[in-house]
Parts: sequence; structure tokens; C-alpha cells
Amino acid sequence: SQQGEEDPQALSIQEGENATMNCSYKTSINNLQWYRQNSGRGLVHLILIRSNEREKHSGRLRVTLDTSKKSSSLLITASRAADTASYFCATVSSNDYKLSFGAGTTVTVRA
Amino acid sequence: EAQVTQNPRYLITVTGKKLTVTCSQNMNHEYMSWYRQDPGLGLRQIYYSMNVEVTDKGDVPEGYKVSRKEKRNFPLILESPSPNQTSLYFCASSRTGTSGQETQYFGPGTRLLVL
Repeated sequence: SQQGEEDPQALSIQEGENATMNCSYKTSINNLQWYRQNSGRGLVHLILIRSNEREKHSGRLRVTLDTSKKSSSLLITASRAADTASYFCATVSSNDYKLSFGAGTTVTVRA
Repeated sequence: EAQVTQNPRYLITVTGKKLTVTCSQNMNHEYMSWYRQDPGLGLRQIYYSMNVEVTDKGDVPEGYKVSRKEKRNFPLILESPSPNQTSLYFCASSRTGTSGQETQYFGPGTRLLVL
């Protein structure tokens, strides 16, 4: 069963705008990870945030984690056409260390 | 170069003909896993391995087998493939840190069509 649920399922934005997507999960976690997938290719790791962290940055990416709400968000600032991809969150459960992926958010950046 | 390799990348087969998809990593990772990806369903874990000779079922293990005899290799075996196993398959590996599995490194994927 999938632990993480991304929202929205799909997002279309203009180049230069910011894109925000959310991930909610059900059980306590040790860490949460965000990945990007370009069409039909393998997933590429973006950011890992641990349960005792609240925010992390990497270039134009900002990830927040709210363990009290069991949710995380990924913000992509100043989007580019190359950001067009599917984005997935993955959680590592603190109960059984199981790693689970959500169904993903498809982001389209229009030129 | 640190990488996860999968072979073959594309495979067309017929129902019931046993096949093996190989997966190898060169990063000395303890954790390896197999996923299938189908439209609208995201990534579903088939099997995972915490270390050599330690494997466990994921969410959709039916119809699949795995083995972990060496740390670097984690083959996926379909003993009697069926059309509902047509999918895109990914192998992944990671080290296991204090907070569990860390950054997953994915292979390029194997696109399987079972006729």
C-alpha cells in the first residue's frame, strides 16, 4: 500500500512561476525523500529531509516537513521548461523501515 | 561512475516463458529493491533486500521471485510471465543509515511486454 499521497495529481504553470506540491502520509517516518522522473526514465533523487528537520533547500528547491500534520511540500521556484516531469515523495516508516512511494504529481511548465 | 544497471532495457516475451531481469550496483549498497510502474499507479514495490541473503516481499510480490546471493546483484525472476506483468520495471539501491534507507539510486528501467 502507498504511504505517501501527492497533491495535486497534475499541475500546469507558466515558465517563471513557482510550483508547489504536497505529500501527505499516514504513519510516523524516519525520513522523507523527493524524486523527479522525466518521462519513462529512472527516478532522480532531489532532497532527503529527516524527521527532526523542518526545512531544506537545494538550489531552486525548497522542502518543508510538518510531522504533526504528517505532510511535506516541495516548492520549485522560477520554474523552467526543463522542470517538466513527475515528482514523487517517498517515506521511510519508523515502524518497520519500509520505503514507500506515492503516486506522483505531474508538472508541466509552459514556455 | 556510481550507477545501477539493468538488463535488458526492453523485452518482449510470451506468456509462460521464464525470464530474468538483472540488476547490479557498484556502490556497495546494502539495500536493493524492485518496483513496477504502471500508468496512474505510481511506483509499487515488488521485493526488497536489506542485505545479502535477506529478502522480503513488497506490496505486489505475486508472480515474482528474487535472490540476493551477492551484495551487488539483485535479479528479478518471472517464472511464468502473464500479460498483467506487462509494465516498466525499476531496480534501485541505497545505503542504510541511522534513519533507514537513504537516497535511492535508480536503474534506467526495463520495459517488459508479455504477449
